[in-house]
Amino acid sequence: DSGVTQTPKHLITATGQRVTLRCSPRSGDLSVYWYQQSLDQGLQFLIQYYNGEERAKGNILERFSAQQFPDLHSELNLSSLELGDSALYFCASSGLAGGSTDTQYFGPGTRLTVL
Amino acid sequence: QQQVKQSPQSLIVQKGGISIINCAYENTAFDYFPWYQQFPGKGPALLIAIRPDVSEKKEGRFTISFNKSAKQFSLHIMDSQPGDSATYFCAATSWGGSQGNLIFGKGTKLSVKP
Repeated sequence: DSGVTQTPKHLITATGQRVTLRCSPRSGDLSVYWYQQSLDQGLQFLIQYYNGEERAKGNILERFSAQQFPDLHSELNLSSLELGDSALYFCASSGLAGGSTDTQYFGPGTRLTVL
Repeated sequence: QQQVKQSPQSLIVQKGGISIINCAYENTAFDYFPWYQQFPGKGPALLIAIRPDVSEKKEGRFTISFNKSAKQFSLHIMDSQPGDSATYFCAATSWGGSQGNLIFGKGTKLSVKP
């Protein structure tokens, strides 16, 4: 158990809908990262937050947004969902500012299915 | 543009054998190279990592070999066990800007036969 929790575990929704994925980092970790895992694209970095502030952006679509709250939990919002958004979404956390040698601890993921 | 290329895509090894997974990177700014292990239904978990100032790092049965000039690194699993059957991902990242987002390879599915 990494100490990172993600809810829900599974999510099934329809095209055009909006969903929110939630992540609670390990106790004391200030950085939260979101990754998308799909069969064709593999594991791709979406966005990083550090202590409430956006720190880095990867291949995140404009339809997707995220935030980190004062209690350090994070939410990833996916809107106008398309079939291609079906994937596993992972949250990871690390202890410091996200320096390269910080170990990132991954949560169990949320499996999103868009029908 | 794939910045980290991983091979092979899948690997079958007999119990007790050596599993070797290779990765190549393009960005010379990368300065941290972790390997993650992922079991079905679970998130990736850090297995072992290396910085480019060393050519080899060993932790138990797992060894990373690093070739900076060739921009390649590999994972060796000695005495492979059925419990090692999982998907392995190499990754890379750079310190610049205090960002640590990982760039992952596509993964290698390892099956260790008893």
